[in-house]
Amino acid sequence: AQTVTQSQPEMSVQEAETVTLSCTYDTSENNYYLFWYKQPPSRQMILVIRQEAYKQQNATENRFSVNFQKAAKSFSLKISDSQLGDTAMYFCAFMKHEGGGADGLTFGKGTHLIIQP
Amino acid sequence: DVKVTQSSRYLVKRTGEKVFLECVQDMDHENMFWYRQDPGLGLRLIYFSYDVKMKEKGDIPEGYSVSREKKERFSLILESASTNQTSMYLCASSVHAGYTFGSGTRLTVV
Repeated sequence: AQTVTQSQPEMSVQEAETVTLSCTYDTSENNYYLFWYKQPPSRQMILVIRQEAYKQQNATENRFSVNFQKAAKSFSLKISDSQLGDTAMYFCAFMKHEGGGADGLTFGKGTHLIIQP
Repeated sequence: DVKVTQSSRYLVKRTGEKVFLECVQDMDHENMFWYRQDPGLGLRLIYFSYDVKMKEKGDIPEGYSVSREKKERFSLILESASTNQTSMYLCASSVHAGYTFGSGTRLTVV
């Protein structure tokens, strides 16, 4: 079984600052995907970024980037130039590659990120 | 616009009632999931299905059952609702590593 740990229940930063959200995971799988999801007050889960474990290059999407350290089983999310609209719950999630994701995602407990004006 | 639709955004039910939460997807996805979301606990998998009429228990199946009679519809059933089932319920569907989530049903059992 897999576990995902997010050690920061809540974080608060000023607008335009850079913030890093931490995520560690435990698995015996060698091939897998890692995700960061954003959940604003609307409740809609929005994919922020996805990383395939066999790819060494860290994924990037505009202001969002990850630091994927496979040996350390660490997958942190960096948000640059933070904006008020980044305020949300952020969930780190794991998916086994085997089975094509048929048995779902394993989520961390979430980090509530607050961007202050 | 592809989506996963959950029939109710808010629901209030009485203890002991049989409760149905409905989820429909329009993407022809094989895989469908029901998660429960509680503050401080994240999302936990209740049940999943990888094909019509197939169902598998997730991490917290006790007190729940599911039905998947058609590919696009996945129903979560609370046979006898209890107050500890007050929660947010999220449905999702997927193909490979692409997941789409519904907007959630906030269920209150009184």
